[in-house]
Amino acid sequence: SQQGEEDPQALSIQEGENATMNCSYKTSINNLQWYRQNSGRGLVHLILIRSNEREKHSGRLRVTLDTSKKSSSLLITASRAADTASYFCATDDDKIIFGKGTRLHILP
Amino acid sequence: DAGVIQSPRHEVTEMGQEVTLRCKPISGHNSLFWYRQTMMRGLELLIYFNNNVPIDDSGMPEDRFSAKMPNASFSTLKIQPSEPRDSAVYFCASSHTGPTNQPQHFGDGTRLSIL
Repeated sequence: SQQGEEDPQALSIQEGENATMNCSYKTSINNLQWYRQNSGRGLVHLILIRSNEREKHSGRLRVTLDTSKKSSSLLITASRAADTASYFCATDDDKIIFGKGTRLHILP
Repeated sequence: DAGVIQSPRHEVTEMGQEVTLRCKPISGHNSLFWYRQTMMRGLELLIYFNNNVPIDDSGMPEDRFSAKMPNASFSTLKIQPSEPRDSAVYFCASSHTGPTNQPQHFGDGTRLSIL
């Protein structure tokens, strides 16, 4: 299986700080996607990075991809209470497979 | 613009009963996915359809599970007979084209409890 694994499993930080989550995977991919899931809701797509890209930005989100290390990171800058959620990476070769997620808690 | 709509949002039923979960994908999306989410196993892909045709059902746990997509705007996931271990949150998602490279749009899920 090429399921991505997020690290850490849980993360608590103060509001305003930056949050970094990592994803590692095992085999080659076409692209990697990050999703957010708020409690009791479905997943929401955040950003897609292709295998030939190294970095991508979207607002306060920054995603990096290192295919040589088979890893990706999601950085959320200047965190807010509303960023409290679970974050999942999804690797994409012949079909999309989700990791088990990082639970992010932003402390007021 | 309506997102993916799932019904019911919650379902509680006794083991042995038939359960039917429903999904209306986003108009214009031609791929539809059914997932199951549990604390132990995370988010598992059960089956996906492309242009109403089942493409990969390798994630369907056993014969008690079946899924249909009679038209582009409706899909069902049926469990018969249901068992307590089927308790989970079931998500439907839709996207453009095939399963790769396109963001998926998720419904808010059906929380299923089998007593």
